[in-house]
Amino acid sequence: QVQLVESGGGVVQPGRSLRLSCAASGFLFSSYAMHWVRQAPGKGLEWVAVISYDGRNKYYTESLKGRFTISRDNSKNTLFLQMNSLRTEDTAVYYCARVEITLLWDDAFDIWGPGTMVTVSS
Amino acid sequence: QVVLTQSPSASASLGASVKLTCTLSSGHSSYAIAWHQQQPEKGPRYLMKINSDGSHSKGDGIPDRFSGSSSGAERYLTISSLQSEDEADYYCQTWGTGLWVFGGGTKLTVL
Repeated sequence: QVQLVESGGGVVQPGRSLRLSCAASGFLFSSYAMHWVRQAPGKGLEWVAVISYDGRNKYYTESLKGRFTISRDNSKNTLFLQMNSLRTEDTAVYYCARVEITLLWDDAFDIWGPGTMVTVSS
Repeated sequence: QVVLTQSPSASASLGASVKLTCTLSSGHSSYAIAWHQQQPEKGPRYLMKINSDGSHSKGDGIPDRFSGSSSGAERYLTISSLQSEDEADYYCQTWGTGLWVFGGGTKLTVL
């Protein structure tokens, strides 16, 4: 069964850091680019970052560059999002998503995880 | 920079059909898009990808009641024989060189 499961969310104070994980199963993880997408409470979906299948290439939404870092460990079928200097506006559910076509990163997202909630509050 | 525009809300009766629209910004009418469904308190679910020529491919397990089409800069999602579980938010998504964009979403109410 193809599956993504995020973890690592929680309540964190402004200025602190948090690392999210996304465990993949049921498919050859190392052949797919992966994305992070977030959704603030009551709002729409916002693309966050992408990493190529081999981890060599990464892109970030402009507003998050320098604070968030995407990475992956293909030996452990796991995707990560390191979030530093967190702000209250980073409060959101964070989803990982797989790109539909192997090796490409600019295509539809065909598998989503259930999400993990991050709350930034003092 | 491509922008996707969706109506904030739509409604239709149980058993009826509804057509949701996603409009690509000027100069981007050749872009493919994807539709995703998000039921209340759940993560998004991939429905289908629609190309500019109207051809589309659906995700695994997506019922035949869901279909897609295209005209110019508009991409459509048609849901027929509406069921209560179709009440959800629907997002379109597109992608290009170094960019991935979502529309603002349409909240579908099944009456």
